[in-house]
Amino acid sequence: GENVEQHPSTLSVQEGDSAVIKCTYSDSASNYFPWYKQELGKRPQLIIDIRSNVGEKKDQRIAVTLNKTAKHFSLHITETQPEDSAVYFCAASSGNRDDKIIFGKGTRLHILP
Amino acid sequence: GAVVSQHPSRVICKSGTSVKIECRSLDFQATTMFWYRQFPKQSLMLMATSNEGSKATYEQGVEKDKFLINHASLTLSTLTVTSAHPEDSSFYICSAPKGGEEKLFFGSGTQLSVL
Repeated sequence: GENVEQHPSTLSVQEGDSAVIKCTYSDSASNYFPWYKQELGKRPQLIIDIRSNVGEKKDQRIAVTLNKTAKHFSLHITETQPEDSAVYFCAASSGNRDDKIIFGKGTRLHILP
Repeated sequence: GAVVSQHPSRVICKSGTSVKIECRSLDFQATTMFWYRQFPKQSLMLMATSNEGSKATYEQGVEKDKFLINHASLTLSTLTVTSAHPEDSSFYICSAPKGGEEKLFFGSGTQLSVL
């Protein structure tokens, strides 16, 4: 089955700087890669996703890159703000509606004042 | 976005009792729902896939007799933790994909504490 590895587990970044979180996956059949943000005690919220026919996607301060050959994808947050502090999860799935999504272990992002 | 409602948000129970958690898709039909478990500061671990009109599919290591799943309708799935023990204390969260989308919409989660 699919295995998703995520690094780092914890990341501290000065406010205004960029943060990068990296993930690798094992199943070459995976073609859908969402990123979720979870604040303490709350539900995960989808912040951006990418499909394998696209190498990069950007939404304001957030961007995701995908290297399908190497089976890794990354989340980039620029101009970080205090409200970016949260746990971020990468995930992978086949992209079919009813197929399960497997999550990485999460990265706790701290934005330092 | 789609709305997934989950109840209760928090439950405290005595060891040996059973607890039922409901997950409803409010504005779309969900033939499939996913149940995850999350320990403090850890990831979302998929427990099972709930299928409307058929048996749930459990992940390896998850006891199907302990975690009963019923997908009674296209908008409701329930997870019952039977004979709960302190080690079952965790954050349980459901999710469902909407329509033709592969995106998951999550319920608000249930914090279960077993005394």
